[in-house]
Amino acid sequence: GAGVSQTPSNKVTEKGKYVELRCDPISGHTALYWYRQSLGQGPEFLIYFQGTGAADDSGLPNDRFFAVRPEGSVSTLKIQRTERGDSAVYLCASSLTAGLGIEQFFGPGTRLTVL
Amino acid sequence: DAKTTQPNSMESNEEEPVHLPCNHSTISGTDYIHWYRQLPSQGPEYVIHGLTSNVNNRMASLAIAEDRKSSTLILHRATLRDAAVYYCILRPGGATNKLIFGTGTLLAVQP
Repeated sequence: GAGVSQTPSNKVTEKGKYVELRCDPISGHTALYWYRQSLGQGPEFLIYFQGTGAADDSGLPNDRFFAVRPEGSVSTLKIQRTERGDSAVYLCASSLTAGLGIEQFFGPGTRLTVL
Repeated sequence: DAKTTQPNSMESNEEEPVHLPCNHSTISGTDYIHWYRQLPSQGPEYVIHGLTSNVNNRMASLAIAEDRKSSTLILHRATLRDAAVYYCILRPGGATNKLIFGTGTLLAVQP
C-alpha cells in the first residue's frame, strides 16, 4: 500500500518568505508527527497530532512555525518569515494509533533551503 | 528525557553478524527501547522495540541487559542494504509519543 508522502520533495525559498509543506499520512492512521533534520543530526521532534488536534507541540521552535490537520488526515506545516536557519529536511511520520509500542512510518521528507 | 549513548560509527563485512551497542544507564522502569534506522536520503525506518525481554523479528534481534542499562541490536547477516544510521531511542512510559533521536551509529558494510 501507499506509504507516507510529502510534497514538495524540495523547496527553495528566499529569506522572509512564507512556505507550506504538505504531508499525506497512511490511510487510517490517526497519529501524525512532524520532525526536522539538520545535516549530520538525528531528526528533532516538532509536533504531534492525534486526529485533528495537536496533542504535543512542544518541539515547535517559535511562533513562526504552525501546523494544521483540519480533517484528521492531511497535515500542513507552515513557516512564516523564513530564516536561513530553517533550512533542513522536514520529515512527516504517521502511526495507526498513538502508543509506546506503535511503529511510526516516515515519509521521504521535504528538503527546505532558505537563501 | 532519558539519554542514550551509541558509538558514532561501526564497520562490518557483508554476510557477517553485526552487534550495535546502546547504553542507557538512566532508563526508567517504564521506558521502551526502540531502534530505527535511516538509509541514505530516506526517512527513518522502524527496526524493533522491546521493554525487558529479548525480541526477534524478521529484520533483527534486540538483546536487553538484565538491568536494562544497555541493549544491543543484532543484525544476523549484514547486507550492503543494511548500511545506514541506526538510532537507539527511549520512549518514556508517560503520555508522550514523540521519538527523541540522538546522532546514532553510522554502519558501513564492506563487500
